[in-house]
Formats: sequence, C-alpha cells, structure tokens
Amino acid sequence: KQEVTQIPAALSVPEGENLVLNCSFTDSAIYNLQWFRQDPGKGLTSLLLIQSSQREQTSGRLNASLDKSSGRSTLYIAASQPGDSATYLCAVWGGTASKLTFGTGTRLQVTL
Amino acid sequence: DAGVIQSPRHEVTEMGQEVTLRCKPISGHNSLFWYRQTMMRGLELLIYFNNNVPIDDSGMPEDRFSAKMPNASFSTLKIQPSEPRDSAVYFCASTPQGGNWNTEAFFGQGTRLTVV
Repeated sequence: KQEVTQIPAALSVPEGENLVLNCSFTDSAIYNLQWFRQDPGKGLTSLLLIQSSQREQTSGRLNASLDKSSGRSTLYIAASQPGDSATYLCAVWGGTASKLTFGTGTRLQVTL
Repeated sequence: DAGVIQSPRHEVTEMGQEVTLRCKPISGHNSLFWYRQTMMRGLELLIYFNNNVPIDDSGMPEDRFSAKMPNASFSTLKIQPSEPRDSAVYFCASTPQGGNWNTEAFFGQGTRLTVV
C-alpha cells in the first residue's frame, strides 16, 4: 500500500525566506507526483505536476524536484510571501494501485 | 471552463437522513474521483470512475455510501442513512485522458457536510 509522508507538519517562517517542504512515498512505481495548495475552507489548487521521467518542474517562485528511486520529492519556495500561507499537499499517482494518494500536508505560515 | 463544480457547498443534516452530493467534472475529462477530507485521516479516495464506469470503490467506507456516474458530465455520492461520523469535506476531482496518468487532477471546491 502506497504511503505518503510530509515533513514538517507545520512551518512558520518570516517573509522573504526561502524554504523547502518534503514529501516521501513508499512505493517508487509511480506515474507522477503532484503538489497542491489548499487555503483554509477551500479546495485544492494544483501547483506543479512532475512526471515520473522528470527530475524537476518550475513555476514562478516554486520549484519541485523528484527522486523516484529514493521515493522523495521537495517543493522549494523562493522569497516567501504572506500570501504563500496555506497547507501544501503532495500526492502521487500509481504504485501498486492506480490512484492518487495524498500526504497529510505541511501547514505553512509566512509572517510579516 | 468553470472547473469542477460541486453542489451544495455546505450541507447540514440530521442523523439518519439521506444526503446527496453532486459533481460536474470538467468537460472532456474521462476520470472522476470522490475524496473525503477529515482532520484525523486527511484526504482519502472513496471511489473513482473512468469513462463513467466505477474502477475502484475500495475506499467506500460501508454500504451506506453509494456513487453513480450516469453520464460523462455528472456524478453523485449518496449517504443513506447519514451518521455524525460522516461529517467531513467531500471533494470531487477530474482528470483528462483516463488511463494516462501523466495528467493533472483538478479539484472542486468541496462540500462541507455536517451530520448532527
């Protein structure tokens, strides 16, 4: 059974800092990995999709990497802003079951 | 496209009542997913459909839960009878090109269900 873990569970940083969120998964036979953002009381917004053959993807201040063999992904946020405050979730497609399995998320707070 | 549309956004019902949640996937998407989110268990997949056919319903908690997808543009998740432990946020998601997993999943805004 695919298990996805995110560390840390919560993180508070001052505005302007660069930060890294971690995601690990137990079954490396994945098709892709997707990072989402969830604001309180809202739905999930897709941030980045990394296909299994890729090593990283970038969108603006966000950079996500994937090391499939070690079962790890990181989401790098450069020059953090208060508007980045949200819960960040990673999810993997595939493994032994072809479905999207989510981690428990990292709750990020960026302070002024 | 308006994205994945779910209704209602909020539902408060009494224990024992039937609850029906609705979802309209993005036009042209072949796969549809129902998830449940709670503080204790995070996001859990309940069921997913590919080309309107249920593929994996192993996440459906018990017989009180049922889901249908009568056509490519509509799906329902029904709970009958509802119980307080069913209180959660229920999300619907869709993806294009069912069977090709190198695509993004798009989520609706969710339905917050409270069973009292």
